[in-house]
Order: sequence, then structure tokens, then C-alpha cells
Amino acid sequence: NAGVTQTPKFQVLKTGQSMTLQCAQDMNHEYMSWYRQDPGMGLRLIHYSVGAGITDQGEVPNGYNVSRSTTEDFPLRLLSAAPSQTSVYFCASSYSPWTGALYEQYFGPGTRLTVT
Amino acid sequence: AQSVAQPEDQVNVAEGNPLTVKCTYSVSGNPYLFWYVQYPNRGLQFLLKYITGDNLVKGSYGFEAEFNKSQTSFHLKKPSALVSDSALYFCALNSGYALNFGKGTSLLVTP
Repeated sequence: NAGVTQTPKFQVLKTGQSMTLQCAQDMNHEYMSWYRQDPGMGLRLIHYSVGAGITDQGEVPNGYNVSRSTTEDFPLRLLSAAPSQTSVYFCASSYSPWTGALYEQYFGPGTRLTVT
Repeated sequence: AQSVAQPEDQVNVAEGNPLTVKCTYSVSGNPYLFWYVQYPNRGLQFLLKYITGDNLVKGSYGFEAEFNKSQTSFHLKKPSALVSDSALYFCALNSGYALNFGKGTSLLVTP
């Protein structure tokens, strides 16, 4: 199994540009989530999904959109990039949808995004 | 509000010595607590979790954590530190469908 994969590894955007961060998992996990990691702030939840067609907002959803059309994929879209979105983004998945946070979460390697 | 706190930004320990990385929590109801480790330029890896049962939880790579309800703590421990344990450690608390992470503690183990 490849586990959780994320592309790209690095990205530089100009303010106002849009892009999609890709996330895929091959473990048939129902629960998937996106976090951003900023120095001294730990990880903060952006959006999560408990199954195909079901998404919800986390702690810091503004400026981001998600969709979940398949179990495997959970892309994160930046609509109009801002310097405040410079961060490292992690996708994670977990076994159970309804108690997903009670199970081990598997994290991808991350995408380092810089917005100038 | 449910939250965790990691009071130390950095912990330094000599190789072979015991290590402790501290975590305290605030929750209404029963806490579900986790420890994750992040090596440089990598994603987070699960170490261990406390859901219920024994207060001493054993995890990966020789780590263990002690759950203390009266002190609302869940400290990560290892009897003998290795240089390769140097990494960023996160305590996390289940909050519905998500995890609330602490800010992280950088562990440096020196030879």
C-alpha cells in the first residue's frame, strides 16, 4: 500500500492565484481530513470528510474548499491564495467514519505552500 | 472548550537517560488522547493512544504514556532515550470528528 499520498510536495503561488492540493489514500478509509501546520501553532483542522459526498468544516476553513467524490480522493482547493495561507498542509485518513478521531490517523508527507 | 497543552517548547535529554514530554488536557467527559511524532520534513506518525483501561499505555518505538485523571495529564515517557528519538512530538485530544493538537514539543537527544 502507498498509504496517503499528496501532490505536489512544494508549490509557490502568487497572491490571487488558485490551485488544488491533491490527496489520495489506498486503504479504503472512510474518514479523511486536511490540516495546516504553522510554527508554534500545532496542526489545525481545515476540512474533513466522513465518506464520499460528505464534507464539513474544521477550525480554519475560510479560503478553502473541498469535495469528496470518491473514497480514495480528497482534494483541497485554494480559491484565491493569500500570504496568510503560506503553510505546510497535511492530509490524513482514518479507518472509521463515525469514530474516526478515535482511531489512528495516517498522514501524508505534506505539501509546503508559499504564497508571495 | 476541549484542548490540550504542551507546556514545553523544547526538551533536551542525554542519550540513555529517561525522557518525559508533558501534556495536559481539558475536556468535559472522558478524554481520548493520542501522541504523534513528526520527523523532519515528514508527516506525523501515530505513537500511542488512551481510550479507556490501563493508565499506562505502551506504544511504538519503546514509548509509553501515563494517563492521570486527577492531574489531567498524559505525559509521554521512554526509559532510555536514543539520538534517533529527536523529533517533534504532538499530544492530541479527540474532539468529535477531529483531533485537537497541542503546539508540539521539540525533543533533542544528545549523544
